[in-house]
Order: sequence, then C-alpha cells, then structure tokens
Amino acid sequence: RKEVEQDPGPFNVPEGATVAFNCTYSNSASQSFFWYRQDCRKEPKLLMSVYSSGNEDGRFTAQLNRASQYISLLIRDSKLSDSATYLCVVDSGGYQKVTFGIGTKLQVIP
Amino acid sequence: DTAVSQTPKYLVTQMGNDKSIKCEQNLGHDTMYWYKQDSKKFLKIMFSYNNKELIINETVPNRFSPKSPDKAHLNLHINSLELGDSAVYFCASSHGQGEDTQYFGPGTRLTVL
Repeated sequence: RKEVEQDPGPFNVPEGATVAFNCTYSNSASQSFFWYRQDCRKEPKLLMSVYSSGNEDGRFTAQLNRASQYISLLIRDSKLSDSATYLCVVDSGGYQKVTFGIGTKLQVIP
Repeated sequence: DTAVSQTPKYLVTQMGNDKSIKCEQNLGHDTMYWYKQDSKKFLKIMFSYNNKELIINETVPNRFSPKSPDKAHLNLHINSLELGDSAVYFCASSHGQGEDTQYFGPGTRLTVL
C-alpha cells in the first residue's frame, strides 16, 4: 500500500458544483496533514492545514478521520480558478519526513 | 520579494554532464528541502537539511549531492546526468520541523538529452 494515495482524476465539474477529494495514508503514526495546490507548471502552494477537529476556510473544508486514516477536501461553489491539482501531504513526524500524494486534478468547466 | 528562489529555471544538457541547481530562501527558515517531480507529477522528497545539517537522505543515487553553505542556501549538484534525471526539481523551506508550512521555489525543469 502506498504511503499516501489519491485518485489522480481528472475531476471535471461545472462551475458552482461541490466537489470532494479523499486521500488515504498508511502510517497510523502520521501527525500532520496538509492540502497543497499546484497550478500547471507551477510550484505547490499550501492551501490549508488539516486539523483533527476539521477546519474551514471560505469555500474550502478539510477534515481528518484518524480511525479510517484519510483526509478530505471539500470545495463548495467551484470557480474556474479552482482548476488545479490538489496534493495531499502527510507528515510522519520527526526529521521532517513528509510524503506527497500524486495529486488530484480538478478541472472546473464553465 | 521572492521567498524561495531557484536558478536556473530551465536546464537542458547532455547525458554524462555535471550540473548544479541553486536554491536560496530569504525567509529565515531553518529547514530546506529538495524534491523531484517526475513526468507523472509525483513529488518525492530527496533531501532535507536543518541548519546546514543533512536530516533526510532518501534513496537517491549518490550522483546527487546536496550542499548547504549556510542555512539560507541549499544547492544540488548532479554528476553524470542520465536520461532518467529529467524532471522538475523543487526546492522548499520551512521554519522548523513537520508541522510548518513548506514554501516552494518555482522549480527547475531539467531535461537530459
């Protein structure tokens, strides 16, 4: 089983739609979780950290389910500008060992 | 102001050559990283330095040698380049360990012919 798994997509959704991505991780000792966004031919940028209690930032909601070892990202009211690849990142703690998922590609269609 | 910068942005070279990629961060961060993003867009950590000391050294051919002259710089030297080294190499930095946000450089697109 891969350390961090994501459905690579692409997810093609119409503007205004709600879309959700999941990401599973294999190391139950993982401590920190993040969603990064990567635009085509650009560097990854932090979208949001994922907290145990779940967190929301505008149209974006991230949740963590430790029992099932997955994190999720929900995007409401999708905009064209949300089109990007969303990378799940898991940190197993100590020595800065972070693992990136392969990313889920989102294409928002007019 | 660029937080994490890399040079060059593009690098095209022949097999067998030796090349270096430079990275600098002006964020005052203690930790720097090198990642490789292959043609399938999979981003994998190669090295991590904390205060100029090597912390992570993933399974990477010893043709790759990172060098950190000070904590603001982490350069990557690659000897005897191979076709499979073609990828985008990202430098990143973070304040400390684990929970801290990583800030990425713009990437260096390396093409080995």
